[in-house]
Amino acid sequence: DVKVTQSSRYLVKRTGEKVFLECVQDMDHENMFWYRQDPGLGLRLIYFSYDVKMKEKGDIPEGYSVSREKKERFSLILESASTNQTSMYLCASSFQGANTGELFFGEGSRLTVL
Amino acid sequence: AQRVTQPEKLLSVFKGAPVELKCNYSYSGSPELFWYVQYSRQRLQLLLRHISRESIKGFTADLNKGETSFHLKKPFAQEEDSAMYYCALSPSGANSKLTFGKGITLSVRP
Repeated sequence: DVKVTQSSRYLVKRTGEKVFLECVQDMDHENMFWYRQDPGLGLRLIYFSYDVKMKEKGDIPEGYSVSREKKERFSLILESASTNQTSMYLCASSFQGANTGELFFGEGSRLTVL
Repeated sequence: AQRVTQPEKLLSVFKGAPVELKCNYSYSGSPELFWYVQYSRQRLQLLLRHISRESIKGFTADLNKGETSFHLKKPFAQEEDSAMYYCALSPSGANSKLTFGKGITLSVRP
């Protein structure tokens, strides 16, 4: 059973703080993704990674960065948190190759920025 | 660039009624289409993909390239179908890089 674990379920931070969101998967997946989920806006892709030390911008990368030092771990970093980054953050992973499309999601990290 | 449109935010039906959740897409190539579901307090998970042509939990979805649609259907809704549903698109060979719609909440009343 694939497991994607997000270390923090709920976080409350202040404007300007640096925030780390950690995600670990245990199925040796090559691909990892960070989405944010907002009511009425759906899921929007922030960053993704197809390999260790590799990253690509998604649709809304501004204000975020990522790190993938090990295959199983993909971190999302907010260098200076702002109130408009209050959201639910979802990490996902998948196997590489065409015709997959099955993402395995974590439970989410709900971030509130005051 | 691709786009996925789910025109409704909420669909409320009675148990036993038919359900159709609409999804339209915009993509110039040959896409792969998916439906994902999120039940209350559970993770987002794959419900079905067009390439499999299968029925999952009584749901089916047919890719209509002429109308660029991938509507999700079920003939008789059950209360346990109540959830948030997202339609998603991946360009063929794009390695699971999905574009999601805004989602629709399905509420099935007893």
